[in-house]
Amino acid sequence: GAVVSQHPSWVICKSGTSVKIECRSLDFQATTMFWYRQFPKQSLMLMATSNEGSKATYEQGVEKDKFLINHASLTLSTLTVTSAHPEDSSFYICSASPSGQGRTEAFFGQGTRLTVV
Amino acid sequence: DAKTTQPPSMDCAEGRAANLPCNHSTISGNEYVYWYRQIHSQGPQYIIHGLKNNETNEMASLIITEDRKSSTLILPHATLRDTAVYYCIVRVAGGNQGGKLIFGQGTELSVKP
Repeated sequence: GAVVSQHPSWVICKSGTSVKIECRSLDFQATTMFWYRQFPKQSLMLMATSNEGSKATYEQGVEKDKFLINHASLTLSTLTVTSAHPEDSSFYICSASPSGQGRTEAFFGQGTRLTVV
Repeated sequence: DAKTTQPPSMDCAEGRAANLPCNHSTISGNEYVYWYRQIHSQGPQYIIHGLKNNETNEMASLIITEDRKSSTLILPHATLRDTAVYYCIVRVAGGNQGGKLIFGQGTELSVKP
């Protein structure tokens, strides 16, 4: 149990276009999900906290207008990279913990590799 | 969340035990020690966590010193598939913030035949 799935696994887009990444908790509900970004040979960096039914909370230095987050249900959060540029090319990963089950460990999606050309 | 210190890299022979250390000298009384690993180009995977007692599951053992200022993750019989970056993270458990983690640089474990 406790599976988190991301889609797509990889995407290539043209500079200036927008890309949507989905994060789904397949067998549990999550009121809160988290989005990370990882550049090559670096560690994961927390970008934002996605809250079901309310606005996301962004970490310092992350542009909320560029990285749009929507958490419309207890099993789905989406991250949209708007007007993507080559410097947005990165590995994007989401995580969640089951709500109300007393479990404190995080479960991660498989990640989405974004390449902007 | 408390800061952790890990060696940047380690090697281990296949079939031998891999012992990965982590220092967390500023850990608070209500903070747990969590271990995750990330195999190349995949999302991180939860391994184990503990507060003060030693813990064991099907993947690994976690040994926490009595003063809780350091811990060791033990993979009893390392295989080539255990080659990954291992992250030690200390944080308060509970609530809905379980997925919110501050990652350090971790230890890159290379298991060699």
